[in-house]
Amino acid sequence: KQEVTQIPAALSVPEGENLVLNCSFTDSAIYNLQWFRQDPGKGLTSLLLIQSSQREQTSGRLNASLDKSSGRSTLYIAASQPGDSATYLCAVRFVQGGSEKLVFGKGTKLTVNP
Amino acid sequence: SAVISQKPSRDICQRGTSLTIQCQVDSQVTMMFWYRQQPGQSLTLIATANQGSEATYESGFVIDKFPISRPNLTFSTLTVSNMSPEDSSIYLCSASGTSSSYEQYFGPGTRLTVT
Repeated sequence: KQEVTQIPAALSVPEGENLVLNCSFTDSAIYNLQWFRQDPGKGLTSLLLIQSSQREQTSGRLNASLDKSSGRSTLYIAASQPGDSATYLCAVRFVQGGSEKLVFGKGTKLTVNP
Repeated sequence: SAVISQKPSRDICQRGTSLTIQCQVDSQVTMMFWYRQQPGQSLTLIATANQGSEATYESGFVIDKFPISRPNLTFSTLTVSNMSPEDSSIYLCSASGTSSSYEQYFGPGTRLTVT
């Protein structure tokens, strides 16, 4: 059974700091890994998608890496801003029982203090 | 990318009643999914909505409680039947394209409170 773990569960940093969020998964047979952002009471916004054959993806101040063999991904946020405050979710896409599924971690709640 | 809308955005319902949530995607997609997010928790997959056939349910979810329809490639509904307070959650519709390499997109969610 695929399990996704995110560490830390919560993180508070001062504005301007660089930070890393961690995600690990138990079954390396994945199609891709996706990082999402969720603001309180809102739906999910896709941030980055990394295919299983890729090592990293970048979008603006965000950089996500993937080490499939070790079952790990990191999301690096540079020069954090108060607007980055949200819960960040990691999800892996894989096949189970003949159907594709996206399984989520429990998220990291990030607070960036001005 | 796909833009997903859901109706209603929120509702307060009495126990024992049913609520149907609608999900509309702005483009044709192969796969549609329904997730539940209980307070303070992450997302749990309820079922995959299959176009023209019965939905595929995850362990712990059954058709009698969560009937799903998907009449075409852009629309799906989820009904929460015979509701109890434990069904109070955010219900999210999701969709992805024709390849496993495609991104998965989410609607804004429906916040359901059962009293």
